[in-house]
Amino acid sequence: QQQVKQSPQSLIVQKGGISIINCAYENTAFDYFPWYQQFPGKGPALLIAIRPDVSEKKEGRFTISFNKSAKQFSLHIMDSQPGDSATYFCAAKKDGNNRLAFGKGNQVVVIP
Amino acid sequence: GAVVSQHPSRVICKSGTSVKIECRSLDFQATTMFWYRQFPKQSLMLMATSNEGSKATYEQGVEKDKFLINHASLTLSTLTVTSAHPEDSSFYICSAPPPRTAQETQYFGPGTRLLVL
Repeated sequence: QQQVKQSPQSLIVQKGGISIINCAYENTAFDYFPWYQQFPGKGPALLIAIRPDVSEKKEGRFTISFNKSAKQFSLHIMDSQPGDSATYFCAAKKDGNNRLAFGKGNQVVVIP
Repeated sequence: GAVVSQHPSRVICKSGTSVKIECRSLDFQATTMFWYRQFPKQSLMLMATSNEGSKATYEQGVEKDKFLINHASLTLSTLTVTSAHPEDSSFYICSAPPPRTAQETQYFGPGTRLLVL
């Protein structure tokens, strides 16, 4: 059972545009929501994360928007660059439990 | 940030042989480490949780005799794929949570590409 559902499956964005990836979760016990960036042949790297007590978190060109009532959160990549082309995974975990539930991933391609 | 390394980065072996993959936390101690496998264009699938000083906890459907895990020290966990077959070919990734887990999540290793011929 997929505890975290991610959409769209893939995304093509022009350089300078905004990439938006959405995730939805079922388990209301989740209280930590990280996004990971993975390049081909590499391990995932933590990009940005949020807790449900805030509705938005911004770090540089990356922003997480969180909607607790809808059980949804999204990643926005502003001013997308070709170097942002990667696979992005959303995830969720419960406090006190290190196990991560991953979404299926989204391949983002930024074209020049 | 915390660093997790894996060795080897890639390995090719013949069917029937065993392969050992190491996962090390370089600047912190990890009583728990996680092992994932990832098929092309798919998400990470948790295989097992490695526990220092005790047996690993395997996810449903993962053969513990096939994938042997040993958490030898607070900085090292090993995954041994025994009697490897072509269907075991995959990308294996380990991760470890840093000490202050209330605020942070896992740090992932760079992965090990296994190809079984």
